[in-house]
Amino acid sequence: GDSVTQMEGPVTLSEEAFLTINCTYTATGYPSLFWYVQYPGEGLQLLLKATKADDKGSNKGFEATYRKETTSFHLEKGSVQVSDSAVYFCALTSLYSGGGADGLTFGKGTHLIIQP
Amino acid sequence: EPEVTQTPSHQVTQMGQEVILRCVPISNHLYFYWYRQILGQKVEFLVSFYNNEISEKSEIFDDQFSVERPDGSNFTLKIRSTKLEDSAMYFCASSDSLGYTFGSGTRLTVV
Repeated sequence: GDSVTQMEGPVTLSEEAFLTINCTYTATGYPSLFWYVQYPGEGLQLLLKATKADDKGSNKGFEATYRKETTSFHLEKGSVQVSDSAVYFCALTSLYSGGGADGLTFGKGTHLIIQP
Repeated sequence: EPEVTQTPSHQVTQMGQEVILRCVPISNHLYFYWYRQILGQKVEFLVSFYNNEISEKSEIFDDQFSVERPDGSNFTLKIRSTKLEDSAMYFCASSDSLGYTFGSGTRLTVV
């Protein structure tokens, strides 16, 4: 079945550091890929997505590129802020980016801590 | 911006009791979902619901679970006889062609 593997946390960085959170996946067909963010006490918010190979999703300074050859969707940000502290989840769906019966398959989440 | 609303935000229940978790999906969305996140673990798909019936369910979604859309707005998850291992954060979501929207979750604690 489909699966998502992301780097274990917590990841602790200083403000303005460069961030990479690795994500690799296993899926049949051509999945759509997502990054979700969960701030303390809140629900899951879509951060960015990519629906086909070589697409780059971007939002709020975060970027991730859909790499079919390496089955990866690594999350990057050039300069992190304290407000970026949260849990980040990589996810996929085997359908198009919209809803469908199968729902999303999530990774375990990576807790990011940014220190001032 | 439209939201998915979940109530209650926290629920404590005794083992063996029935609980109902409530969700109000976005009104023009067609698919509804429940997910579960046990503390420290990944978010797991439980069930999807479309056109007033279950579309897909995971192996987690056994006979103690049921979902219902009792009226035009609410979408509920019922756990018939709770077990300690049901303690988790439960997320409701709904979707349209543009993607998924999640609620803030209900933290269920079974004691």
